[in-house]
Parts: sequence; C-alpha cells; structure tokens
Amino acid sequence: EVQLVESGGVVVQPGGSLRLSCAASGFDFDDYAMHWVRQAPQKGLEWISVISWDGSHSKYSDSVKGRFTISRDNSRNSLYLQMKSLRSDDTAFYYCVRDNEGGSGSYYLNSWGQGTLVTVSS
Amino acid sequence: DIQMTQSPSTLSASLGDRVTITCRASQNIGLWLAWYQQKPGKAPNLLIYQASVLKNGVSLRFSGSGSGTEFTLTISSLQPDDFATYYCQQCTSYSTFGQGTRVEMK
Repeated sequence: EVQLVESGGVVVQPGGSLRLSCAASGFDFDDYAMHWVRQAPQKGLEWISVISWDGSHSKYSDSVKGRFTISRDNSRNSLYLQMKSLRSDDTAFYYCVRDNEGGSGSYYLNSWGQGTLVTVSS
Repeated sequence: DIQMTQSPSTLSASLGDRVTITCRASQNIGLWLAWYQQKPGKAPNLLIYQASVLKNGVSLRFSGSGSGTEFTLTISSLQPDDFATYYCQQCTSYSTFGQGTRVEMK
C-alpha cells in the first residue's frame, strides 16, 4: 500500500523559512516523479512543484518560483520542500503526491499524503 | 497560464440522479486532463486521467469525456458516497486545477 506521510508544518512568521518532509513507503520511490500540491483552508487545490524521479529536473508554479525548492533523497525514500520568504497567502495544507508515472511525470496525481498545515502569521 | 473553469460551482442532486460536471480550458490541452474527488477533511483522490481513463478501483459509475478545451465528468447514478467536491486538472507541462464543483444533496 502506498503511504505518504508529510511533516514539518508549523506556525511561522511572515518572511520566515520552513522545510517540509514527506516519507514514502509501499512503492519504489525512485521510479516516480513527485509533487507538492497545496490547499488554503476552505479553498481549492493549487499545484506548486514537481521533481523528476532522479531529482535532475524540477518545475514550479509562478506563485512559489524563486522562494520554494523541491528536492528528494531516493536513498531515504523522502521528498522535501524548502520554503523561504513565506507570506500570509502561503498558509495552506501542503500535500505530498506521487505521480502516476516515472520520468519527469505526467502530472496525473495518483497517490496523496494526508497533508501538513503551514500557517504564516505574526 | 492555462485557466480551468468548472461549472456549476455547486450542484444539488438526489440519489440515483445522473450528474454531469463541465470543465473548460482556456487553450487546447488535448487529452491532458484529470478529475479528482475530495471529501471534507481528506486528501483528493484521482478518479480519471487522460480525460477518460478510469483509475483502477474507481467505480464504473464515473466516466470522463472530451478533448481540446471542453471536458465532462459524469456520475451515472449518484450514490451516498459520491457527495463530495470534484476538481478537474490540466496536466500539460505545468498544471492548474479548476475551482471545484461541490455536489450536495437536494
């Protein structure tokens, strides 16, 4: 069974930094592209980043480009999201998501974690 | 950026109803479209990808159609477990979601 467990969500001040982690199990982690998707409370879904199976390629939405960095450690079956210059509109649940495919990904989001809440507030 | 527009935003329906949700893309996305179901307090679940391919294990009540800029998700006979919010997602080199359609009980 695919399991994705996010951690690291906390309350952080505007302008602060934070790193989210995602522990993956139940599948061959290094076979799949991985994503981060977020959802502000009571709002819709926003795709924010993807990383290829080997970490060599990544893409970001315009809303986080230059502030967030996605990375992975295939030896630890882990996905990360380094976040800096956080703003109030970054407040959201952050989901770790496995792509349906390998390579650079299809963007079809096959399996989701339960999410971790990041709150940006003074 | 490709914008995705779903309609309606809210849909009131009864058990057994046939339900259709529409998703329009601001430019041609071919078949690069997925549909998700999300229940309150839970992560979304992939239902359909490549516009019409049902994910393994998803009920045959769900079907998807369309190409280019207009797509539909159909639930053939609404069941209690289907009351939820549904999102479309374009899956070109970047990705964006529609705003969601909440299916509620009439």
